[in-house]
Formats: sequence, C-alpha cells, structure tokens
Amino acid sequence: GAVVSQHPSRVICKSGTSVKIECRSLDFQATTMFWYRQFPKQSLMLMATSNEGSKATYEQGVEKDKFLINHASLTLSTLTVTSAHPEDSSFYICSARDGGGQFFGPGTRLTVL
Amino acid sequence: KNQVEQSPQSLIILEGKNCTLQCNYTVSPFSNLRWYKQDTGRGPVSLTIMTFSENTKSNGRYTATLDADTKQSSLHITASQLSDSASYICVVSGQAGTALIFGKGTTLSVSS
Repeated sequence: GAVVSQHPSRVICKSGTSVKIECRSLDFQATTMFWYRQFPKQSLMLMATSNEGSKATYEQGVEKDKFLINHASLTLSTLTVTSAHPEDSSFYICSARDGGGQFFGPGTRLTVL
Repeated sequence: KNQVEQSPQSLIILEGKNCTLQCNYTVSPFSNLRWYKQDTGRGPVSLTIMTFSENTKSNGRYTATLDADTKQSSLHITASQLSDSASYICVVSGQAGTALIFGKGTTLSVSS
C-alpha cells in the first residue's frame, strides 16, 4: 500500500524556537496533503489542508501565521511551528491523498520545554 | 451536524477472546466509512474501508460491518492477540473532497 513518511519522529525544543516537520509520500503523488494534531486520548483534529502549489486552507481556530505549511511538490509537504510554546506540544500527523484513498504518516511527537 | 460516535470508550479483554466495537454516524451525504488501528505514538493504519453498497468487509481477524440505513458500523476482532492492543478509530467520509470526520476511538487492551 501507499507509504507516507514523516521526519523527525520526535523533537524536543526550547520555547520560542521554530520546528519544521516534513511529510513525504514515498510511492505515489499526493495532490492533497493534510495536517492533523492529536492530544493525548483525543481524536485527530484537522489543522489544515494543502494542495500542491497553492496556499493551505486552515481550519477554524488554527493560526496560519503560527503553523506555516508549504506543499512545494507532489510528494512533500512541510509544517513549521513558529515560535513554539509548551501548549504546542502535541502529536502531529500528516496524511496524503491520492485517487485510491487517504494514507497517514507515523506522526511526529513535539515537546516544547 | 456531522458526527461520529464510538463505543465503548475503552475495553479490556483476555487474549484469545473476541470483541466488537461500535460506530454510529450522522454524516450526510455519506461516501465511505473506514476503520483504522492506531498504536500508541504511531499514525493510524487502515484496516477496512466500505462504501454505501458494502455490508461487510474482512481483513484477517478484523471484520467490519456497515448498515447505511441505520448509519451504524461495527468492527469485530476475532481471537484477539496482545498486539491488538491499540486505539481503533472509525472515520467517515462525506462528499468526495470533503474532510474526513473522525470518531474519538475505542481503546482496546488485550491482556494475557
């Protein structure tokens, strides 16, 4: 089946720094990629939807200036958490869609100290 | 409002036993329903996907059912194994191109 990778799998950073998370579709081209955030014992919450070559569409309540999304190619999308704070600590999961379905990455655990 | 409700919230069973997880949804229009398994600290992995016309679909020891009339689905796990311990998430898709709607998941713990 289709494989989606994320890097890094885990990151710990100091408050105020920026963190970039990469999401790649390894064996298919994804015209649409999604970024989710998941807090402990909660369901996945959609943050934004990005289409290759265009600006991302953010869900209500998600700050676009804080969570920068770039979808520069059909196989790569990046999420940058700018000026991270402890409340941004969470599990970030990307997902990529092709004609056959939607596939999830393994997630990135972000801890902001 | 489009919603997906799962029950029970958590479940503990003995290894080798069977169990059934429930999913009710109010999403309309309906495109498909998926069950995912999410291990702790990992991304969701697809188990089954069913469209409106499908009533049942199996994937090894996992069997999903769908009743589109009552808007209910179940996931039956047969002869549970310790590795089945995970969160099982029901996800419903509305019209093509719209966002997936996630249930909160059922946390299954299989003990020896």
